[in-house]
This record gives sequence, structure tokens and C-alpha cells, in this order.
Amino acid sequence: QLLLQDSGPGLVKPSETLSLNCSVSGGSISHKSYYWGWIRQSPGKGLEWIGSLYSSGNTYYKSSLKSRVTISVDTSKNHFSLRLSSVTAADTAVYYCARGVMVTRNFDSWGQGSLATVSS
Amino acid sequence: SYELSQPSSVSVSPGQTADISCAGDKLGDKFTSWYQHRPGQSPVLVIYQDSKRPSGVPERFSGSNSGNTATLTISGTQAMDEADYYCQAWDTSTPVVFGGGTKLTVL
Repeated sequence: QLLLQDSGPGLVKPSETLSLNCSVSGGSISHKSYYWGWIRQSPGKGLEWIGSLYSSGNTYYKSSLKSRVTISVDTSKNHFSLRLSSVTAADTAVYYCARGVMVTRNFDSWGQGSLATVSS
Repeated sequence: SYELSQPSSVSVSPGQTADISCAGDKLGDKFTSWYQHRPGQSPVLVIYQDSKRPSGVPERFSGSNSGNTATLTISGTQAMDEADYYCQAWDTSTPVVFGGGTKLTVL
């Protein structure tokens, strides 16, 4: 049974960097059949894809966030991470990590979500 | 960039059929997935590859995709199906695209 557990600081000050981790258990993060993504939901809004990381090492980011986003992986710990720099109140959201399936291009397993609030 | 459009809300009576649409340019040429998202919970995949149901998803959930529109159909809708539903596709210009979401109300 695959389990994704995302974790983060909860509160981040404006202009600082938001860092979130997603720990994967029950499966290898290096498996070539899957990719790994971050999705967020701001209060009152819909799901927003942030970026994805593939087993090849390639990363893809939403164009409007690209200059501020980094997704990386630590295969030794079987976890991947999100860093979002220069945050503002507009980045306040619940952040989800998820596993994507290469063949069908959908997310079949999601973390429980981590609320990140940007406030001084 | 590629965009998907969904109605903001759909209402259905218990036991009736709910259809939720998702529109995008030549969407029928792409794989579409659907997620159910209840408040306070993580999204759950209910349809992938246009019409396939993951294990554990009730048979009353079905999907279709043709032309510029994909449709999620919930037959015999139950109160527990009340949630937000999101379509998702991928495009060469944007690896992941979500629709804006549809709030399904069962009343």
C-alpha cells in the first residue's frame, strides 16, 4: 500500500522560501513507471498543478511559477521536496504531493495535504 | 497554454444521473482523468484514461471523451457523491492541466 506523507512548516513569512517534503513508503520513488508532483489549492479556489519530477531527473513546472519553484528528489530517503521562493499571501494554500502514472498521465495516489500560510 | 473549462456547479436529485462536462481544444485526442475532492480530504481518482475506473470506485461512475468535451457521469447519484470534481488532462505544452472544478450538489 503506497503512502505519501507531506510535511511543512505551516507558517512562512512573506518573501521567504516555503519548503515541503513528501515521504513515500510502500514503493520506490525511482520506479520508472511513475512520476511525482505537487499540486495546491488556495482558499476558495480549485486545484493548481505546480510541477512534476520524472525518474529521468527531468522536471516540469507551471509557467507562471517556474521562476520560483524547485522540485528535487532524495532517493536515499525515498522522498521528494518542493521549494517555493519569494512567497506572498497568494501562495497560502493546502499543498498536496502525489504520484503520477506515466502510461495514463494521472495522479493515482495523493498525500494528506499540508497547509502553508504566508503571514508576517 | 492548454486550458480546460468546467461548469462551476451542477445540481442533481438523489437517485438521478449527474453529468459533469469538461471542455478543451481537441480534448478527445487526449487522455482525461477525473478526481473527486471532498472538503478536508485529499482528491481521489475516480476515472482515468477517459472511461476506466480504479479499483474500489463504484460502478455508478463512468466517463466518456469525444471531440472537445469529456464527461463524467454519475448514475443513481447518492448523497455521499456530493463533492467537487476536477477533470485533468495533459498536453505537450503543459504536462498537467486541471479544470476549474465543478461543485456537485445532491438535493
